[in-house]
Amino acid sequence: LAKTTQPISMDSYEGQEVNITCSHNNIATNDYITWYQQFPSQGPRFIIQGYKTKVTNEVASLFIPADRKSSTLSLPRVSLSDTAVYYCLVGSYGGATNKLIFGTGTLLAVQP
Amino acid sequence: EAQVTQNPRYLITVTGKKLTVTCSQNMNHEYMSWYRQDPGLGLRQIYYSMNVEVTDKGDVPEGYKVSRKEKRNFPLILESPSPNQTSLYFCASSSRGSGGAGEQFFGPGTRLTVL
Repeated sequence: LAKTTQPISMDSYEGQEVNITCSHNNIATNDYITWYQQFPSQGPRFIIQGYKTKVTNEVASLFIPADRKSSTLSLPRVSLSDTAVYYCLVGSYGGATNKLIFGTGTLLAVQP
Repeated sequence: EAQVTQNPRYLITVTGKKLTVTCSQNMNHEYMSWYRQDPGLGLRQIYYSMNVEVTDKGDVPEGYKVSRKEKRNFPLILESPSPNQTSLYFCASSSRGSGGAGEQFFGPGTRLTVL
């Protein structure tokens, strides 16, 4: 099972672009990379998912290099409301196992 | 409204008193899962279910049981709770889709305290 490693915390200022990296050296061929956002006392919320190269949606971009051993979540022009914990998850359904392994999360603190 | 519901939201109990936390989803999802969240440890998967009558252990299954008799419900059972099971619990569901791990929809959480 792929284990993920993320920075424990990051600081940023409003309006800046934030990049959070997740390492997953043992990612399996069938595994996808998914990022979630969590606010205090709430369940995590899906942000973005990808398999390789780059994926972009209305809130974030996900960059995955060719070897897929890491991934970077990019949040453009963060605001105070983006202060939250961000989790990287690696896994898939239908592979050797259907377990889903979350990382320990990165606390992003956005300051004015 | 598409949602995952959990009950109760808060529970204080004593060691050894059996309890059940219910989880229900209205999105016809195949995959359901239970997680616990503890400070500094992130989200750890307890059990998951790929469909009705199909369940399997996650990373931290000891002391827990689950059942999946209906597609929409996935209760978490603590037969003999202990203080180390004091935690914040989340239920989640997702569609298997065509690949990946699917977008998981999480419930609001159940904060359990075992005295």
